[in-house]
Amino acid sequence: DAGVIQSPRHEVTEMGQEVTLRCKPISGHDYLFWYRQTMMRGLELLIYFNNNVPIDDSGMPEDRFSAKMPNASFSTLKIQPSEPRDSAVYFCASSYSRASVAFFGQGTRLTVV
Amino acid sequence: GENVEQHPSTLSVQEGDSAVIKCTYSDSASNYFPWYKQELGKRPQLIIDIRSNVGEKKDQRIAVTLNKTAKHFSLHITETQPEDSAVYFCAASKAGTALIFGKGTTLSVSS
Repeated sequence: DAGVIQSPRHEVTEMGQEVTLRCKPISGHDYLFWYRQTMMRGLELLIYFNNNVPIDDSGMPEDRFSAKMPNASFSTLKIQPSEPRDSAVYFCASSYSRASVAFFGQGTRLTVV
Repeated sequence: GENVEQHPSTLSVQEGDSAVIKCTYSDSASNYFPWYKQELGKRPQLIIDIRSNVGEKKDQRIAVTLNKTAKHFSLHITETQPEDSAVYFCAASKAGTALIFGKGTTLSVSS
């Protein structure tokens, strides 16, 4: 298995533009997590899914952020409109419920100018 | 919800010394406590974990201890090497929930 796959690896966009981050979890994993990492706030949980259903989105900072998981092998995190303060590394992670071990993707470094 | 505090935020040691990082958690129902290592520009990777039915776990130079009563757990690295330099994160969760991470500890090992 190739592990958790995220795309793109880097994204530079202008303020106000829509940004879509993509994630493919490890096959067979039933939990998917989106985290945001910044120097100031560390690794923050944004939202997580179980069997494609959003369970807790209380970490999503604003209505500008939305996440979907249309099937077991794909999830998106969308920011619309983007702002400079959204600049961060966004990680997707997946786990198999009983084990609880979360495996991270390589992350997407987002820069909003 | 769960809150995880991690100390210290930075730690500098000489090669061969031991390093200890401590974390506390708030939710007494949490039962899974992993530690992740993140090298510069890389993803966090699991190095060791412990569950609430165990008090201590070792893996070569790395050990983790858990005190459920006090709600704290610690990472111990012995005989540190320069390649141990990285950011270390502790986390806590309970069954079916997401990991909540501490703010991280930047460990620097000088030779």
